[in-house]
Amino acid sequence: EVKLLESGGGLVQPGGSLRLSCAASGFTFTDFYMSWIRQPPGKAPEWLGVIRNKANGYTTEYNPSVKGRFTISRDNTQNILYLQMNTLRAEDTAIYYCATGFDYWGQGVMVTVSS
Amino acid sequence: DVVMTQTPPSLSVAIGQSVSISCKSSQSLVYSDGKTYLHWLLQSPGQSPKLLIYQVSNLGSGVPDRFSGTGSQKDFTLKISRVEAEDLGVYYCVQATHFIFTFGSGTKLEIK
Repeated sequence: EVKLLESGGGLVQPGGSLRLSCAASGFTFTDFYMSWIRQPPGKAPEWLGVIRNKANGYTTEYNPSVKGRFTISRDNTQNILYLQMNTLRAEDTAIYYCATGFDYWGQGVMVTVSS
Repeated sequence: DVVMTQTPPSLSVAIGQSVSISCKSSQSLVYSDGKTYLHWLLQSPGQSPKLLIYQVSNLGSGVPDRFSGTGSQKDFTLKISRVEAEDLGVYYCVQATHFIFTFGSGTKLEIK
């Protein structure tokens, strides 16, 4: 059974940083593209970026809305996906999901950026 | 960016009725490999989104065949036949053909 479990969310001040983790199990992690997607309260989801699989060199693509502030990485020995978020703004407040493409999603973790 | 225009924004239907949701993209969603990466998701209240239909017309794992997807190029439709109570929630289309991947604004399905 595929499982994705996000952690690391919480309240952070504007300008601060946070690192989210996504623990994956139930599938061969290195075979899959992994994405981060966020959803502000009451709004549609927004795709943030993807890190490709081993066959595609673990390269990344980002949404310009977060490029340069957010970094996606993966630990393929521990099956963990990361999202490093820097220079956070109030508009980054959202539920953050990790996903395998769009097939499987985690339960999400809330990030609130506020003073 | 590819803009996904989804209509209607909301629907209220009785159990057993059929409904359709439209999703139109600002560009063709046919990828260079010939496939069309247009998917449909359902977000039930308080839940994460769940994949219903992938690549226009393929049912996701465990999805009942009351759900069906059609369309091509820039014009797509999700149809739900014989709506059941468990179908309530927000439906999203999403395109994964062009970076950046983009979502429709959602269609909220309510049960009368």
